[in-house]
Order: sequence, then C-alpha cells, then structure tokens
Amino acid sequence: SQTIHQWPATLVQPVGSPLSLECTVEGTSNPNLYWYRQAAGRGLQLLFYSVGIGQISSEVPQNLSASRPQDRQFILSSKKLLLSDSGFYLCAWSRQGPNVLTFGAGSRLTVL
Amino acid sequence: AQTVTQSQPEMSVQEAETVTLSCTYDTSESDYYLFWYKQPPSRQMILVIRQEAYKQQNATENRFSVNFQKAAKSFSLKISDSQLGDAAMYFCAYYGGSQGNLIFGKGTKLSVKP
Repeated sequence: SQTIHQWPATLVQPVGSPLSLECTVEGTSNPNLYWYRQAAGRGLQLLFYSVGIGQISSEVPQNLSASRPQDRQFILSSKKLLLSDSGFYLCAWSRQGPNVLTFGAGSRLTVL
Repeated sequence: AQTVTQSQPEMSVQEAETVTLSCTYDTSESDYYLFWYKQPPSRQMILVIRQEAYKQQNATENRFSVNFQKAAKSFSLKISDSQLGDAAMYFCAYYGGSQGNLIFGKGTKLSVKP
C-alpha cells in the first residue's frame, strides 16, 4: 500500500530564516506531487505541483520554491521566511491523471 | 478559469439528522471530476466521495451521497444519520482535464450537536 510522510509536523521559525519541509511517498512510482497551503480559516491554496522529477509548476508567485530531487520526494523551501508564510502546509500525491489526492498529515509553520 | 464556491461557511446539524452542504463550480470543460474532502480537527484531509462528470448516477458512500446537477454546475453533499465524528471542515474540489491539480472551495465547517 502507498503511504505519504511529511515532516516536520510543527515548526516555529523567526522571520528571515530558511525553511525546508520534506515529503516522501512510498509504494508507488512516478506520482504527481503537490504542495498546498491552508491559512487560518481559509481553504487550500495550491503552491506547487510536479508531474515528474525536476518538473515543477508554480501556481502562486512568492518567496517559496519547490524541488523534486527524486521520484518520490518533494521539498518545499524558502531562503528567507516572511510573517505571511505562516500556515498549515499539506503535501499530497496522486497517480497520473484525474485521480484522488492522498494527503500527508501536514506541517504547521509559525513565523515569528 | 475554473472556480469552486461553497456558500455556507458554517453549518450545524443535530445528531442522527440529515444535512446538505452546497457546492457550485464554474467550468467550460465537459469532462471533469468532483470530490468532497473532510478535514477533522486532526487536519488530516480525507476523501469522502468522488463523482465523474460523465456519470449521470449520483455517487454514494454509505451515509454520504451527492446530488450532482451538471447543467446547473452544482455538487452538493448529503450526510444522513449524522454522527459526532462527522464534525469537520468539508471541502468541495474540482479536477478538470486542462490542469493537473485540484481546485478547492473555501470549505464549510460542520458542527454536530448531540
């Protein structure tokens, strides 16, 4: 069976510090991978998605970036965090095409 | 661009009763998929139900069913015999053929009263 792991679960960082959130999927190959952000009291905003290694699509211009160094690994990064980066970040995967997204447990980021 | 609208920020239902959550969407595509996801307090996103646009029959999963009105671009979720564990945020989502990701509504917070 497929599993998705996302870490860290909770992170408190000062403004201007770097960020790295990691997501890995097990039990499947060539998945679509996604990073969503959920701000307090709001819906999910797609940040990045990837259909293959090195293929990243950015949906929202911002100081965040994503990388996919391996088939089942998806990393969300920032060189300098802003207060507005605080939120709940969710990684998800799906098979190619219009399939169900399976989400990780999420990472709560607080920028102070 | 495709959009998904959930017009009810909050809903409340008595335990064992039935509640319907509304969702409308806007698209020019004819082939697409619709989903309802549940996010309990743990914040884990869980798939509730899925509907393919080419299917006329409404999807059903145990106590959860949808009313899919393609012409009206409406996709409501009905929860029957509501249970305390149904309390959560519910998100409607759209997947179309022209993009490779889900578009989510802003969610409806459902409370279940004992």
